Amino acid sequence: EADIYQTPRYLVIGTGKKITLECSQTMGHDKMYWYQQDPGMELHLIHYSYGVNSTEKGDLSSESTVSRIRTEHFPLTLESARPSHTSQYLCASSESPYNEQFFGPGTRLTVL
Amino acid sequence: QKEVEQDPGPLSVPEGAIVSLNCTYSNSAFQYFMWYRQYSRKGPELLMYTYSSGNKEDGRFTAQVDKSSKYISLFIRDSQPSDSATYLCAMGSYSSASKIIFGSGTRLSIRP
Repeated sequence: EADIYQTPRYLVIGTGKKITLECSQTMGHDKMYWYQQDPGMELHLIHYSYGVNSTEKGDLSSESTVSRIRTEHFPLTLESARPSHTSQYLCASSESPYNEQFFGPGTRLTVL
Repeated sequence: QKEVEQDPGPLSVPEGAIVSLNCTYSNSAFQYFMWYRQYSRKGPELLMYTYSSGNKEDGRFTAQVDKSSKYISLFIRDSQPSDSATYLCAMGSYSSASKIIFGSGTRLSIRP
């Protein structure tokens, strides 16, 4: 079944830890995205990729980094987590930039 | 000023009521418009996609776009408790492929 997966679903860590949020999709989409969503707020684009070895920063300034070595995999890494990184992180993919984006279930990150 | 404004609610209506959800936007370059539904602890899923002024109907859902007024609406007929969710409007332009702007979402609760 074509889908998009995110792990972990919930993560509580201490300040200064390095973390990687995983995102994988089985739909063969070239386009993938990372959004940050705080309660009652808009989704903010933090990174996107239009294909293997292509990554761009989004509108929201973020201290995270991403990589795209395989079409299906788009991990997001925080080198040193801070309480200001506490948020929900949503991964999405699409067939083209103008088409429907399919979202994963999200990772809820809490940094103490 | 935000590019997309959406009343956050919460909006509570009895089962069977007609629900009207709205967004206004300031950027006349937006050319396509979407409504996503997001259940608690889940990622958003696309409900409606439209790129022209006027109405588009899909089952109990009708999306309405008025480009002259920069106003979009989602109507839900015969609302059901299963419609209880947060509804996000989103829009983009073909000249700025990476940039879909999301509203902050309206929380909707349908009372049995």
